[in-house]
Amino acid sequence: GESVGLHLPTLSVQEGDNSIINCAYSNSASDYFIWYKQESGKGPQFIIDIRSNMDKRQGQRVTVLLNKTVKHLSLQIAATQPGDSAVYFCAENTPEGKLIFGQGTELSVKP
Amino acid sequence: EPEVTQTPSHQVTQMGQEVILRCVPISNHLYFYWYRQILGQKVEFLVSFYNNEISEKSEIFDDQFSVERPDGSNFTLKIRSTKLEDSAMYFCASSFIQSTYGYTFGSGTRLTVV
Repeated sequence: GESVGLHLPTLSVQEGDNSIINCAYSNSASDYFIWYKQESGKGPQFIIDIRSNMDKRQGQRVTVLLNKTVKHLSLQIAATQPGDSAVYFCAENTPEGKLIFGQGTELSVKP
Repeated sequence: EPEVTQTPSHQVTQMGQEVILRCVPISNHLYFYWYRQILGQKVEFLVSFYNNEISEKSEIFDDQFSVERPDGSNFTLKIRSTKLEDSAMYFCASSFIQSTYGYTFGSGTRLTVV
């Protein structure tokens, strides 16, 4: 069956450090992945996406890496700020347009 | 920036009662979705809706659930006879094309069944 899961449920970092959040997926046919940020009481917010024909994609302070060999995704946040504190989900997009979410990692940024 | 609006933000209901959760998608979007998130768990797909009919539904979306687009702006999720295990955050989302790119989620309705 298909599933998308995260390695760590919580991550605590110092302000200014880089954060790395990991995600494993099991469906080798998956070709599109998205990272979402969810703040308390809010809906998931798109951060960055990547297609399977890419290994890396960069945004503003965020980078997503895709390793298809081991079916692994990571989200890197540079110079983590208190405003980055949230739960981060990876999600797999199906051809039908629905999302399969992973379990979520709670990022806590210490000042 | 356009938003997906959900009302109410919090709904408390007695077990067995019917509830209707309301969503106003982004005006030019064509695809509509409901997801739910049980406290502390991942977000789960419920149903997608396009051209006034259900495109896809999950096994969670049983006969107790229904969706409707009663007019040109609202998209509703109805639970006919709520159960305790229906307590969750319910998120509406919309997109212009059938892709999660440009998918916009609302802030959710917290449903508490007592």
